[in-house]
Amino acid sequence: DVKVTQSSRYLVKRTGEKVFLECVQDMDHENMFWYRQDPGLGLRLIYFSYDVKMKEKGDIPEGYSVSREKKERFSLILESASTNQTSMYLCASSLSIGPGYNEQFFGPGTRLTVL
Amino acid sequence: GENVEQHPSTLSVQEGDSAVIKCTYSDSASNYFPWYKQELGKRPQLIIDIRSNVGEKKDQRIAVTLNKTAKHFSLHITETQPEDSAVYFCAASIHSGGGADGLTFGKGTHLIIQP
Repeated sequence: DVKVTQSSRYLVKRTGEKVFLECVQDMDHENMFWYRQDPGLGLRLIYFSYDVKMKEKGDIPEGYSVSREKKERFSLILESASTNQTSMYLCASSLSIGPGYNEQFFGPGTRLTVL
Repeated sequence: GENVEQHPSTLSVQEGDSAVIKCTYSDSASNYFPWYKQELGKRPQLIIDIRSNVGEKKDQRIAVTLNKTAKHFSLHITETQPEDSAVYFCAASIHSGGGADGLTFGKGTHLIIQP
């Protein structure tokens, strides 16, 4: 059973703070993703990674960076948090061995509020 | 980049009736189309997916159809039950057989099953 966990369910930060969101998966998945979910906007891809130390920009990377030092862990970093980054952040992971194995497994989410 | 439009944003049906949710995509290179269900307060979970070499796929009460020419795909739920109440998201991506494939999601449909 795939398990994707995120470090916090709820987080409150101040404008300008540096924020780290952590995601860990325990199924040896190659691919990891960060999305943000906002009401009426669905899920939008921020960054993804297909291997350790590799990263690719998604659709809305501005204001974010990521780090993947170990296969099981993918971190999302807000260098200087702003109020428009208040959102639900969802991490996901998937295998990378070809067709039929595309399912992305999501973590429980971190609801971040920036004051 | 890819753009996915999803309709309707809210759908209310009587228990036992069928529900249909429709999505269109813009990038003709997209070849993988999953549908995720998100219950209130929970993480999104894959319910069915389809690849561009297939026109229709069924799994018990759920079916998905794909029209590549029109760049259109739909989710059909028959004999709806109270536990079908949730937000449903369609998505599209280009799967190349290896590497990460970030998903582009629609904005979601809130399906309400009326008793």
